Amino acid sequence: TQLLEQSPQFLSIQEGENLTVYCNSSSVFSSLQWYRQEPGEGPVLLVTVVTGGEVKKLKRLTFQFGDARKDSSLHITAAQPGDTGLYLCAGATGSNYKLTFGKGTLLTVNP
Amino acid sequence: DADVTQTPRNRITKTGKRIMLECSQTKGHDRMYWYRQDPGLGLRLIYYSFDVKDINKGEISDGYSVSRQAQAKFSLSLESAIPNQTALYFCATSARQGSNQPQHFGDGTRLSIL
Repeated sequence: TQLLEQSPQFLSIQEGENLTVYCNSSSVFSSLQWYRQEPGEGPVLLVTVVTGGEVKKLKRLTFQFGDARKDSSLHITAAQPGDTGLYLCAGATGSNYKLTFGKGTLLTVNP
Repeated sequence: DADVTQTPRNRITKTGKRIMLECSQTKGHDRMYWYRQDPGLGLRLIYYSFDVKDINKGEISDGYSVSRQAQAKFSLSLESAIPNQTALYFCATSARQGSNQPQHFGDGTRLSIL
């Protein structure tokens, strides 16, 4: 069983602060996806990273895939209350590309 | 209209009852999935189906069964519900082609078993 460890599990910050969420594994993934989930809704894809060392930016969010494709990070610059939500990483493995999800990071950005 | 629709959105029932959760999609995707989400445990895969004739167990399939009635419909059944099956259940879909297809989730069914 491949495990994805996310940290921190909970994060409460003030508007305008920066933060980083980590997703780590001992396994190699063919790709890694980041999702955001808001209360009462299902997760929604933010980004997919595929190549080791890849960096993708989505406005104030920066995603990085580790060189060995075992870990990833999500950095948010100048967080806003609208960034509040549960952030989930998910790694794809195997020929059927099933996803293994991390346990999530619950982010609260206070105004 | 939502691309992935789950019914019901909420359900409260008693131990021992049979329950069916339904999922329908208008995305035309071949692949469909059922997950459960518990606080602190993330999303865990129950069953998945890559086409109408292909059903596979996920990591926590005990106590559950599924039926893929059509490309667009995938239902999850709890034959005899027990309290530790209380959770938030999600259906998801993805396209067949490629290794990096995102999964598209419904809004979930909150199931409480008393």
